[in-house]
Amino acid sequence: NAGVTQTPKFQVLKTGQSMTLQCAQDMNHNSMYWYRQDPGMGLRLIYYSASEGTTDKGEVPNGYNVSRLNKREFSLRLESAAPSQTSVYFCASSAQHERITEAFFGQGTRLTVV
Amino acid sequence: KQEVTQIPAALSVPEGENLVLNCSFTDSAIYNLQWFRQDPGKGLTSLLLIQSSQREQTSGRLNASLDKSSGRSTLYIAASQPGDSATYLCAPKAAGNKLTFGGGTRVLVKP
Repeated sequence: NAGVTQTPKFQVLKTGQSMTLQCAQDMNHNSMYWYRQDPGMGLRLIYYSASEGTTDKGEVPNGYNVSRLNKREFSLRLESAAPSQTSVYFCASSAQHERITEAFFGQGTRLTVV
Repeated sequence: KQEVTQIPAALSVPEGENLVLNCSFTDSAIYNLQWFRQDPGKGLTSLLLIQSSQREQTSGRLNASLDKSSGRSTLYIAASQPGDSATYLCAPKAAGNKLTFGGGTRVLVKP
């Protein structure tokens, strides 16, 4: 079972470069999320998508854009990378049934901006 | 805005001891709460989901309790093993689509 798949697993960027982090889920979930995890800051929500065609800002959206390409895929784009965006990025998806939401996470993308 | 606190931040115990991990949250109007495990350099693995109508949820050596009115959940791990060494995170789910995470408790079980 693939679950939530993120690519790439590791990436090094120079300041000012752009890149897109890819995420795909095969569980037919409506909702998908992008989080970043930093030491001492925990997991912080960047963007989320409640359903195909909708996206909303989370706690730390500045410097990022997202695309919900279809129900399976939710990508995160850094247009002009900055060292402050060095982090581990996690994609998640969730199933919801009668207000109960269960989330599943990918293995993460470790991004270093130099 | 939901604030989630996990105490202690780190915990070291000898093998065989029971673990007690605490999670508190400020918005008690939650629908459910999930406990996750994270190994170093890895993603989050869901351990237990406890619904707001439940007081407890069990899976093997793991037991999660929920006191929604006081905004608290506790994860108990019985007879700890070195393989239980990891970071444990809680995430209550309130209205809307966002999970909010605590900072986690880093657990070390010494053989």
